[in-house]
Amino acid sequence: NAGVTQTPKFQVLKTGQSMTLQCAQDMNHEYMSWYRQDPGMGLRLIHYSVGAGITDQGEVPNGYNVSRSTTEDFPLRLLSAAPSQTSVYFCASSYSNRGDTIYFGEGSWLTVV
Amino acid sequence: AQSVTQPDIHITVSEGASLELRCNYSYGATPYLFWYVQSPGQGLQLLLKYFSGDTLVQGIKGFEAEFKRSQSSFNLRKPSVHWSDAAEYFCASRGAGSYQLTFGKGTKLSVIP
Repeated sequence: NAGVTQTPKFQVLKTGQSMTLQCAQDMNHEYMSWYRQDPGMGLRLIHYSVGAGITDQGEVPNGYNVSRSTTEDFPLRLLSAAPSQTSVYFCASSYSNRGDTIYFGEGSWLTVV
Repeated sequence: AQSVTQPDIHITVSEGASLELRCNYSYGATPYLFWYVQSPGQGLQLLLKYFSGDTLVQGIKGFEAEFKRSQSSFNLRKPSVHWSDAAEYFCASRGAGSYQLTFGKGTKLSVIP
């Protein structure tokens, strides 16, 4: 049981480049989400999904795109990277919204230069 | 809207001393409450969670937390801190029926040998 798997763990991008952060979970969780973590800001929700084909915006969605074609995968796309998107990104999943624990991936460290 | 406040940005304690990290939440009803720990360069590990019932919750690594409805607080405690407890600690809340976690900004714990 791998839990929540994120790739890559580290990435350096040039301004304007695009990339996709991958997230996969093998726990058959309906809910998946992406957070970004910045110093002194805690974690802030970017996008989330409550099931295949259903996504919605969180607190800081600008500059990011998501899709959910399967229950297992929830990729996060940066369309045109900006230095302000330098951050640590965490993918998370949970079975339901009935108080289940939310499980986090190991994080992806992204630097935009 | 939910909010989580961790009043202390940085706390330093001596090894063997007791620890209390403060967390206050703002939510109309009783939310689900969590404490996560993050070591440098690592992901988030769940320490404990409160859903309902007994207001004193036991977690991993010798941590406990007490839910106090009258004070809207969920403070984390440990009777004797170890050097390995040095990390950043995040309190988070989740409203009943909600998939989303709202995080505090974190408290960094330093431990003096």
